[in-house]
Amino acid sequence: KAGVTQTPRYLIKTRGQQVTLSCSPISGHRSVSWYQQTPGQGLQFLFEYFSETQRNKGNFPGRFSGRQFSNSRSEMNVSTLELGDSALYLCASSPRGQGNEKLFFGSGTQLSVL
Amino acid sequence: EDKVVQSPLSLVVHEGDTVTLNCSYEVTNFRSLLWYKQEKKAPTFLFMLTSSGIEKKSGRLSSILDKKELFSILNITATQTGDSAIYLCAVEIHSGGGADGLTFGKGTHLIIQP
Repeated sequence: KAGVTQTPRYLIKTRGQQVTLSCSPISGHRSVSWYQQTPGQGLQFLFEYFSETQRNKGNFPGRFSGRQFSNSRSEMNVSTLELGDSALYLCASSPRGQGNEKLFFGSGTQLSVL
Repeated sequence: EDKVVQSPLSLVVHEGDTVTLNCSYEVTNFRSLLWYKQEKKAPTFLFMLTSSGIEKKSGRLSSILDKKELFSILNITATQTGDSAIYLCAVEIHSGGGADGLTFGKGTHLIIQP
């Protein structure tokens, strides 16, 4: 079974630009969550999607958004990039996104904002 | 505000040593505590703990949860260089529906010297 796939692996952008990251969950998994990882803050929850609906959102500004498609693939978008958005963005999937389900993580997209 | 604190933040030991990693938490509506290992990019699942006092084991790794004192430990015996990684502790809370996202600690960076 293929794991969680994230593209692209690396991305370099400049301030003010926008970026779209993609995540394909494990086949059969319907819940996709996104996390931001930085050296200072560690992993922080961005949002979670299930059946094309955002069910939960972390404490991030509105510049961070996402969506999920009918095949459970998900994208996240960051608009008006800031230097502080430089981070590893990790996507994780689980079968139903219910309690006591372990998350399976992708290898992430490393975003650098110059 | 939910909080997960890991200690130590970094640890250097020699191959063959035994290490104990700590994770304490302050959250509302605790559901489970999870340990992940992050070697390069993708965190990989180690343990999920929901009940106090029940040790979970996988080879040389073991973990236990104390819900009264609000902490967990991860033990690694007979360490090998392949155990070098960042070990992440995360807590899941009960929510009204869906996955609220995990609250992560900042991780313990473990280095095993040959």
